[in-house]
Amino acid sequence: GAGVSQSPRYKVAKRGQDVALRCDPISGHVSLFWYQQALGQGPEFLTYFQNEAQLDKSGLPSDRFFAERPEGSVSTLKIQRTQQEDSAVYLCASSPGPADYGYTFGSGTRLTVV
Amino acid sequence: QQPVQSPQAVILREGEDAVINCSSSKALYSVHWYRQKHGEAPVFLMILLKGGEQKGHDKISASFNEKKQQSSLYLTASQLSYSGTYFCGTTGGKLIFGQGTELSVKP
Repeated sequence: GAGVSQSPRYKVAKRGQDVALRCDPISGHVSLFWYQQALGQGPEFLTYFQNEAQLDKSGLPSDRFFAERPEGSVSTLKIQRTQQEDSAVYLCASSPGPADYGYTFGSGTRLTVV
Repeated sequence: QQPVQSPQAVILREGEDAVINCSSSKALYSVHWYRQKHGEAPVFLMILLKGGEQKGHDKISASFNEKKQQSSLYLTASQLSYSGTYFCGTTGGKLIFGQGTELSVKP
């Protein structure tokens, strides 16, 4: 596609509910990244894929967070048993390679846990 | 590990210049610069890959001092469209963003 597409754009979840956030990167982009952005803060790194391999998941806040990219294209970020502190904008970005390239970000999914 | 940006916020009149600084306590491999408008995704501006490199397009340019572990973003003759939050990102593996500099350009 022309850009990085994320869905849903907005998600309201009740505390304890599971959610799945989808990211469709630019076609052919090898690298895919997930970031979490709280209001007024910079994006915080969650995890990184190169093709289908998850090379770095050091930023995932807890074992309730899980990400996958099974065919090296679309990625899903899953959050189990959501908590209020999970409320944030979740940004996905892709780039042609692992280094030396700028990232193209999607519009994000705004998650609100009530 | 998070790079530090300064200033945190700046207000300009149209046509004025601004400099945003980004510094890191760790050795830098490369520096990215992004601009984010309210409610939108960050947009890539430029990447600097080696010390001494300078880049620019239109009236926005940047420099990278590898030894000092610093980068600066220069906005000259600012336009209303330059308003937004500017983030630097530093790599040593994954891209880590600074806390942002909010830039407001007034008519």
